[in-house]
Amino acid sequence: DAGITQSPRHKVTETGTPVTLRCHQTENHRYMYWYRQDPGHGLRLIHYSYGVKDTDKGEVSDGYSVSRSKTEDFLLTLESATSSQTSVYFCAISEGQHYEQYFGPGTRLTVT
Amino acid sequence: ELKVEQNPLFLSMQEGKNYTIYCNYSTTSDRLYWYRQDPGKSLESLFVLLSNGAVKQEGRLMASLDTKARLSTLHITAAVHDLSATYFCAVDYNNNDMRFGAGTRLTVKP
Repeated sequence: DAGITQSPRHKVTETGTPVTLRCHQTENHRYMYWYRQDPGHGLRLIHYSYGVKDTDKGEVSDGYSVSRSKTEDFLLTLESATSSQTSVYFCAISEGQHYEQYFGPGTRLTVT
Repeated sequence: ELKVEQNPLFLSMQEGKNYTIYCNYSTTSDRLYWYRQDPGKSLESLFVLLSNGAVKQEGRLMASLDTKARLSTLHITAAVHDLSATYFCAVDYNNNDMRFGAGTRLTVKP
């Protein structure tokens, strides 16, 4: 397995609270991604990073922010969680643009 | 905007039978990926198809890509129970944006 960990693996939080999810890699890959997975939608890209401090928006970025201060860490923040953000969140990494992506174990987030 | 459609979304098949999963996409792309996901698990990369006419095979699974028809197929030969999983296709879109299909949930029954 690619060296990708996500923390926490499970979280329950209340509407309106801030939440930060962490993705950590040991592969020194340049690209990192955050997806959310919901029934009937497959995976949808939230944000991605193409280097330290270099990030861009994906298909469903509203309500989310990201930061990457080190090659190995990519953080996803929900500034004020809403019930519509209840989902399973996957981090992925790739060596470069258009390379296959390797996925982390996922974080199940429930917003009550 | 790119749309990726898989069909069928649910597939129940008998062991030993053959079947094909289809992945259609709406705009030009030269790269298509197939992933497998077991329940409660992460996604595992199966195939990367990089050009028109590309065909790749691994065990009982074979994937192909027709970029002119904007169609990829995942063919299952002589299915076994271990192939039960959800299969996703994904297509490169606008550089780093990869769009996924909704997934095909495959159940192989003895």
